[in-house]
Amino acid sequence: NAGVTQTPKFQVLKTGQSMTLQCAQDMNHEYMSWYRQDPGMGLRLIHYSVGAGITDQGEVPNGYNVSRSTTEDFPLRLLSAAPSQTSVYFCASSRSGRASYEQYFGPGTRLTVT
Amino acid sequence: RKEVEQDPGPFNVPEGATVAFNCTYSNSASQSFFWYRQDCRKEPKLLMSVYSSGNEDGRFTAQLNRASQYISLLIRDSKLSDSATYLCAARFGNEKLTFGTGTRLTIIP
Repeated sequence: NAGVTQTPKFQVLKTGQSMTLQCAQDMNHEYMSWYRQDPGMGLRLIHYSVGAGITDQGEVPNGYNVSRSTTEDFPLRLLSAAPSQTSVYFCASSRSGRASYEQYFGPGTRLTVT
Repeated sequence: RKEVEQDPGPFNVPEGATVAFNCTYSNSASQSFFWYRQDCRKEPKLLMSVYSSGNEDGRFTAQLNRASQYISLLIRDSKLSDSATYLCAARFGNEKLTFGTGTRLTIIP
């Protein structure tokens, strides 16, 4: 199993550009989530999904969209990049329904917005 | 007030020493607690879950104090390889996991 994979590993965007961060998992996990990690702020939840077709907002959803058309994939879209979105983005997944199960994280995407 | 708070450190500890971190949480209804380890420029990985009765895994012991609303992590006989950032996390309500900002630990030879 590859676990949780994320692409790209690194990305530089100009202000106003849009892009999609890809996340996939091959563990048949129902729960998936996106976090951003900034110095001194820890991991903050952006969006999460408890199954295909179901998504919900986390702590910092503004400026991001998600969709979950399959169990495996959970892409994160930046609609119009801003310098404040410079961060490290982690995707995570866990077994169905309960975050009390172990969350497995992807290797992260380092995004810089200039 | 943040839902989950940790002392960011850094904790600089000599090899072989015992070190302990605490993590406080504000929501008394929180149900599940965890310690994650994150190495520099890597993703977080689960170190251990924290149970009401406390749990131990080798040199690591985790405790939960519901009355005072904190969890703790004790590392005995610390090794150089224990150098990392330790994140605590708590689950409130449905599914969402909230993380602290992390405590940075450096083990000194």
